[in-house]
Amino acid sequence: AQSVTQLGSHVSVSEGALVLLRCNYSSSVPPYLFWYVQYPNQGLQLLLKYTSAATLVKGINGFEAEFKKSETSFHLTKPSAHMSDAAEYFCAVRPLLALGGYQKVTFGTGTKLQVIP
Amino acid sequence: NAGVTQTPKFRVLKTGQSMTLLCAQDMNHEYMYWYRQDPGMGLRLIHYSVGEGTTAKGEVPDGYNVSRLKKQNFLLGLESAAPSQTSVYFCASSVRDRTHSGANVLTFGAGSRLTVL
Repeated sequence: AQSVTQLGSHVSVSEGALVLLRCNYSSSVPPYLFWYVQYPNQGLQLLLKYTSAATLVKGINGFEAEFKKSETSFHLTKPSAHMSDAAEYFCAVRPLLALGGYQKVTFGTGTKLQVIP
Repeated sequence: NAGVTQTPKFRVLKTGQSMTLLCAQDMNHEYMYWYRQDPGMGLRLIHYSVGEGTTAKGEVPDGYNVSRLKKQNFLLGLESAAPSQTSVYFCASSVRDRTHSGANVLTFGAGSRLTVL
């Protein structure tokens, strides 16, 4: 079984401030982890993904996330928020298994980021 | 390069009416998915397909049917629409993860907003 919990359905930050969006996962096997972003009236697009190669993952638009196994966390950060970062962010998990093929992706409930000028 | 295209973008139905949402992808992806997005609930998988002619149930399949007669198309049908099916529907596609790299990142369409009165 697998799940993700995103703490805070809404987060507000001032322009130029640190962005921190929290994601904790639960998985019975080692996971792949993802962050997706959804801009208003658009579909989701990939920000970054963790595939066990490196614990600190850099993504697009200056975002990065760190995989911490001891804390079962994969928090998303950006040093300085920009107005264009206002969007909804989803954390997602899928099992890392030896066999390829279909593995279920489970999404969190999302965090809406508001950037205040 | 269109990616994943969903039609229609908006639709209003009366209870009991039927309709079909069409998803088309031009990336030669093996896997295709239908999700619904509801406030505070994230994305929930309705049905998915791992190849032409095959479909499988996701988390919330009741009231929906799907077909994948061609590799590039994935249709979602509502035989008798209910107000509980008011939602935003997203189609997504991905490659098959042959390399075990977690590379089957989902590519999403822009969404179809359905209202059932």
